[in-house]
Amino acid sequence: QKEVEQNSGPLSVPEGAIASLNCTYSDRGSQSFFWYRQYSGKSPELIMSIYSNGDKEDGRFTAQLNKASQYVSLLIRDSQPSDSATYLCAVNIRGNYQLIWGAGTKLIIKP
Amino acid sequence: EAQVTQNPRYLITVTGKKLTVTCSQNMNHEYMSWYRQDPGLGLRQIYYSMNVEVTDKGDVPEGYKVSRKEKRNFPLILESPSPNQTSLYFCASSQGDSPLHFGNGTRLTVT
Repeated sequence: QKEVEQNSGPLSVPEGAIASLNCTYSDRGSQSFFWYRQYSGKSPELIMSIYSNGDKEDGRFTAQLNKASQYVSLLIRDSQPSDSATYLCAVNIRGNYQLIWGAGTKLIIKP
Repeated sequence: EAQVTQNPRYLITVTGKKLTVTCSQNMNHEYMSWYRQDPGLGLRQIYYSMNVEVTDKGDVPEGYKVSRKEKRNFPLILESPSPNQTSLYFCASSQGDSPLHFGNGTRLTVT
């Protein structure tokens, strides 16, 4: 079983709709959770970090963490074509700076 | 400006010719890491460093060397590059529980 799992997609969403990206993790002791966006050939850039159960909102982005169910999700409201990218979930499982990465979900926003 | 600087951005070389990819950060971060990214394989960690003079293997260390003689620099060394090391490489740094900051990447081609 992979430690951090994401659906590889592609996930196709109409412009203006809500895109929902999901990530599950295996270690119940995980403390820190991150969502990165990566355009093709570019470096990953941080979208959201979340450390406690519940929702965290930043503009059009909302991260949701449920430690009991071991998942973290990212919602993108009012999706724009510029949101088309691969979204990477990263989890600090071992509590020592080390991040475990999901394989990423490719998101396509259709105009 | 806080940043991680990698050089060069693009590098084409021949099998067996030693090369170094430099990485420098100006945020006084303790933790630094090298990743490679290949289509369909996601981010794979090569080496990481928790602090000066402390380095450890990641998931794919074969064929690579690193050093951490000063806090800001973490060069990646390929003593005898081979075509299977053709990839997109990223350096990253962080401090404590903070998110990873990535460099812009180095696209390496070994012929």
